[in-house]
Amino acid sequence: AAGVIQSPRHLIKEKRETATLKCYPIPRHDTVYWYQQGPGQDPQFLISFYEKMQSDKGSIPDRFSAQQFSDYHSELNMSSLELGDSALYFCASSPRPSGGASGDEQFFGPGTRLTVL
Amino acid sequence: QQQVKQSPQSLIVQKGGISIINCAYENTAFDYFPWYQQFPGKGPALLIAIRPDVSEKKEGRFTISFNKSAKQFSLHIMDSQPGDSATYFCAATLQSAGNNRKLIWGLGTSLAVNP
Repeated sequence: AAGVIQSPRHLIKEKRETATLKCYPIPRHDTVYWYQQGPGQDPQFLISFYEKMQSDKGSIPDRFSAQQFSDYHSELNMSSLELGDSALYFCASSPRPSGGASGDEQFFGPGTRLTVL
Repeated sequence: QQQVKQSPQSLIVQKGGISIINCAYENTAFDYFPWYQQFPGKGPALLIAIRPDVSEKKEGRFTISFNKSAKQFSLHIMDSQPGDSATYFCAATLQSAGNNRKLIWGLGTSLAVNP
């Protein structure tokens, strides 16, 4: 079965640089979530999109922005990177409610490990 | 303030034993409670989930018990195996605008199953 695809898998940046993380949801999933997970911590919700519109916003710094495109893939843009931005970034997708799915389940990608030096 | 409280923080179980992880929540508007399993460096994998109108759900060796009045739910792993060694997160969600259901996470339980 197709899974959520994230790229790149690993990214090393210098302080004050920019980074773009990409997420390709499972086919026919129209909702995308972004989470940030520090070492030994639970994932923290950043932002979500439903049908290409931002649907909720969590603890996402103003230096970060994101969008969902017409093909439902999403990109997380991170500027003025700080050492504290080093973390695993996960994207998750959910299906639209239908006979076979409630739309509640979130399926996670393998993550992008961002290291800021 | 942690909206979903998870315990224990770590757990060591012998192979073949039962692993039990507990979670408690405050917001009665939560209507979906998933458990995720995460291996180091990997994405969380949906293990099993339950809704408040059900008191128990079983899938293979994994069982969720749900106590709505106590606002508590737990994960039981029967016949625990070394391959079950991972971090387990409970979570809760409620539906907001559109199809949005951000996950509210517990802090995780690191499970080690000794051979």
